[in-house]
Amino acid sequence: KNEVEQSPQNLTAQEGEFITINCSYSVGISALHWLQQHPGGGIVSLFMLSSGKKKHGRLIATINIQEKHSSLHITASHPRDSAVYICACFPPNTDKLIFGTGTRLQVFP
Amino acid sequence: DVKVTQSSRYLVKRTGEKVFLECVQDMDHENMFWYRQDPGLGLRLIYFSYDVKMKEKGDIPEGYSVSREKKERFSLILESASTNQTSMYLCASSLGRTRAFFGQGTRLTVV
Repeated sequence: KNEVEQSPQNLTAQEGEFITINCSYSVGISALHWLQQHPGGGIVSLFMLSSGKKKHGRLIATINIQEKHSSLHITASHPRDSAVYICACFPPNTDKLIFGTGTRLQVFP
Repeated sequence: DVKVTQSSRYLVKRTGEKVFLECVQDMDHENMFWYRQDPGLGLRLIYFSYDVKMKEKGDIPEGYSVSREKKERFSLILESASTNQTSMYLCASSLGRTRAFFGQGTRLTVV
């Protein structure tokens, strides 16, 4: 069983829909990343959070440390949001991230 | 913003060749990482370096070595490339347990 699990693995949506991607982890963590990877490979860090909620434009990330769960929400989705979204965690006492296997999102016009 | 640059976007090499993948970061980050990414397996750590000349094996180091002679540069070496090393390779850097920055990836094909 992976230490970091994401759901769903694949997600399709119509433009304008509200999207939620979930991440659950079984290890204690000091912080969690949400990453975005567009076709072609490059990965961009969207958020890094250790508590509460962060918002950037149409993206919102939340984390519940007690429940070991984080969510990434996209409001008013757009085709340019189509990408793979990856959750990654920093366990305590290490600088090495543990990654989920990613959620592939496709948003259709 | 931090820039992490990988030397090649696409690379095709023959079985048995020695392959060098180069990564350079411009923000004086102490940590640098090499990952490979395969469908269904996600990102897996090959090697990690936390300072010049310091390295630590990741989850899948077999068949790979690394070099970090300068703080800004971290090289991944495939001593004798094999077809099962065909993959997407990603480099990243970070300052401690802060935000990680990734390169654009190198898609390596070994034929």
